[in-house]
Amino acid sequence: NFMLTQPHSVSESPGKTVTISCTRSSGSIASNYVQWYQQRPGSSPTTMIYEDYQRPSEVPDRFSGSIDSSSNSASLTISGLKTEDEADYYCQSYDSSNWVFGGGTKLTVL
Amino acid sequence: EVQLVESGGGLVQPGGSLRLSCAASGFTVSSNYMSWVRQAPGKGLEWVSDIYSGGNTYYADSVKGRFTISRDNSKNTLYLQMNSLRVEDTAVYHCGKVVPAAGIDYWGQGTLVTVSS
Repeated sequence: NFMLTQPHSVSESPGKTVTISCTRSSGSIASNYVQWYQQRPGSSPTTMIYEDYQRPSEVPDRFSGSIDSSSNSASLTISGLKTEDEADYYCQSYDSSNWVFGGGTKLTVL
Repeated sequence: EVQLVESGGGLVQPGGSLRLSCAASGFTVSSNYMSWVRQAPGKGLEWVSDIYSGGNTYYADSVKGRFTISRDNSKNTLYLQMNSLRVEDTAVYHCGKVVPAAGIDYWGQGTLVTVSS
């Protein structure tokens, strides 16, 4: 079994760019697709990125995903930050037939 | 339009049972991969269980042997039967429609399960 480790929190100003990392503890990050979910307070999660870098049609192109085999991590980058982007973000991948979620990152836009 | 509506949550004593329902519309549950994911108060997301379109089921180690995922094709509804409930099972339980290897594309709003004496 592996773990996905995310920073507990990040903060940045409106209009800036922020990157949230998700590091896999063992095995290759490229072995299984990574998804990213956004969860605003009091709401259900929504999918922002799937299959490492694919974006649902309703998600703005300010959101992008990538993986980096050298650091064995996935990243979610949000450019042109807006106050509405303030939320918790979770990465998710697979370990055989089990799902693994990262612990979540609280993004503050201030 | 795809919609998922959970119900069946509530307050139950340790050792008790509950059955959660997830009524689906806009797609056919039996033709899709479905999941339950939970979130304890103030905590992160935790995968609970899957059922594949072919009927195979999978469970997190934390619930294996106590929870059972199933579906009723005539009602287009997904279920989670939860037995031998523990305090640590307290959470909001979400159902989700899954795209294989690509995660959940539609989430329900969740139903709160509280296990307490």
